[in-house]
Amino acid sequence: EVQLLESGGGLVQPGGSLRLSCAASGFAFSSYAMSWVRQAPGKGLEWVSTIRASGDNTYYADSVKGRFAISRDNSKNTLYLQMNSLRAEDTAVYYCAKVEGSWWLSLYFDYWGQGTLVTVSS
Amino acid sequence: QSVLTQPPSVSGAPGQRVTISCTGSSSNIGAGYDVHWYQQLPGTAPKLLIYGNNNRPSGVPDRFSGSKSGTSASLAITGLQAEDEADYYCQSYDSSLGGWVFGGGTKLTVL
Repeated sequence: EVQLLESGGGLVQPGGSLRLSCAASGFAFSSYAMSWVRQAPGKGLEWVSTIRASGDNTYYADSVKGRFAISRDNSKNTLYLQMNSLRAEDTAVYYCAKVEGSWWLSLYFDYWGQGTLVTVSS
Repeated sequence: QSVLTQPPSVSGAPGQRVTISCTGSSSNIGAGYDVHWYQQLPGTAPKLLIYGNNNRPSGVPDRFSGSKSGTSASLAITGLQAEDEADYYCQSYDSSLGGWVFGGGTKLTVL
């Protein structure tokens, strides 16, 4: 059974930093790309970032480019999201998601974690 | 404002059929990128409902179906049930933005 367990969320001041983790189990983690998707309170889903299986290539939404960094440790089956220069508009539940798809540009998210809440406020 | 446009809400009575539209453009759906659909029950994480325009993952009832034509896609739910009450999101890739995008979401109410 695929399981994704996020951690690291919490309250942080504007301009601060936070690192999210996602512990994966139940599948060959090192063989799959992974993503982060967020959802602001009462709002819709927003793709944040994706990393290839090897970790060599990363992709970001314009809204977080230059501030967030996705990474992974395949030896620990863990995905990370380093968030710097946080803003109020980054307040959201952050979901870790396993990526699937035969064509890279048509990828989709077949398994999701339960999410971790990040609140940016003074 | 999402590049994939969904109606904010739809509703239907138990047993009825409802459809949810997802309208895009030539830089996403119209460019040939696949459309995928997710169901988010209240207070829970999203769940994959349809992938690759019209494919259902194992365990998803055949009451759910997807289609795509031109710059739009649709999710159809037949034999509506109370437990289908949820938010539904479409997702694709947008070449102008250079990333993956979601529709704004549609809240389905079962009357």
